[in-house]
This record gives sequence, structure tokens and C-alpha cells, in this order.
Amino acid sequence: GQQLNQSPQSMFIQEGEDVSMNCTSSSIFNTWLWYKQEPGEGPVLLIALYKAGELTSNGRLTAQFGITRKDSFLNISASIPSDVGIYFCAGTNDYKLSFGAGTTVTVRA
Amino acid sequence: NAGVMQNPRHLVRRRGQEARLRCSPMKGHSHVYWYRQLPEEGLKFMVYLQKENIIDESGMPKERFSAEFPKEGPSILRIQQVVRGDSAAYFCASSPRRGEMNEQFFGPGTRLTVL
Repeated sequence: GQQLNQSPQSMFIQEGEDVSMNCTSSSIFNTWLWYKQEPGEGPVLLIALYKAGELTSNGRLTAQFGITRKDSFLNISASIPSDVGIYFCAGTNDYKLSFGAGTTVTVRA
Repeated sequence: NAGVMQNPRHLVRRRGQEARLRCSPMKGHSHVYWYRQLPEEGLKFMVYLQKENIIDESGMPKERFSAEFPKEGPSILRIQQVVRGDSAAYFCASSPRRGEMNEQFFGPGTRLTVL
């Protein structure tokens, strides 16, 4: 499958901070998806993006589909403790999702 | 309105045994996908099925792995003669349609440990 580069690999947040992560691909995608996975659970769909340039929000989450169709970013505003987890980007042109390696978000002590 | 169901949640097998993983898609979804996740990695596509049909199994190892989605009942991922390298989390996802606006919803996964 296609390789997605997701960064940063991990980050530490303090409550109230804004968080940003992004994903790049060597290939174009028609759809970008962002998932969150908590320990012992499956990925939960957060946001789906279908058009280049699209900016979509879901509560405190905002994601954008890059103009080139080769990248996407996810922002979390005013983070709270329950935002901890692993965030995955995924791209697809039909049904096969290609996933990034994930960004692990941890609360800074 | 139940989500994707998978069982068992945890499965322990000894080398050489068989593992059978089950997945019931969300109500109204006829497309099922299986993914494998190794520790600290993203999910990797294995196979895409519709009722009674394998559409794409390009991500499945050529030997020992098989999948089905019968007319009645859950989708089954079967691993014969398991080896330690098969230890991973296996996730099933379902969607109501294929193609554009294909939002896949994942189950909680089956964590397979091969001793």
C-alpha cells in the first residue's frame, strides 16, 4: 500500500493548548480521513474530507484536505485531558485505506 | 444501533493452531474490510469482502490466511497454523457503500497472541 508520513510522531500537551498534526503522501487521494484510537479499542472516525481545499470542523477539531490532494492536517483547539490517544490519518481513492503511523498525544504532567 | 462487533476481543493460540476471528458489520452495511495492526504502527489493509464475494485480497498473505463473508452470519478471518509473527491486532471495518464518501467504521479489534 501507499506510505503516508504523519508528524509529529508524538506530542505532549497541556490542557488548553492547541494541537496540530499533519500527514503527507507521495500519491494523491480522493478522500482523507482522520481517526482517533484509544488503548485496547478500534479507531473512531473523527472527520472525513472529500474535496481538495475542503476545511471541515467537528467541535474542537478542524481538518483540511490539501490543495495538492497529497496532504491533510488536523487541529485540536483548547485541548482537554480526554484528547489523549493516538490520531491516525488515512487516505483512500476507493475502498483501501492507507494509514499513517499515528501521532500519540499525551498530557504533559 | 450497534456498531461493528468483533469477537473474541482477545485470543491466545499456540504455534500451529488455528485462529478464527469474527466480525459482524453495522446494520445496513454490506461491505466489510479487514486490517492488521502491529504494535506502534498504523493499520494495514488485508481484504475487502461483500456478501459471498471476495473483492480484493491483495493485502492477505498468500498462505494460511483466508476470509469469508457468507450470506448469513458474520465475516470470518481464518489463520491456519499460526506463527509468532501473526501476533497483532486485527480490525474489521464496515461501510454502507463503496467508492466516493466511503466512510469505514471500525470494530474494537481482536488481539491475537501466539505463544
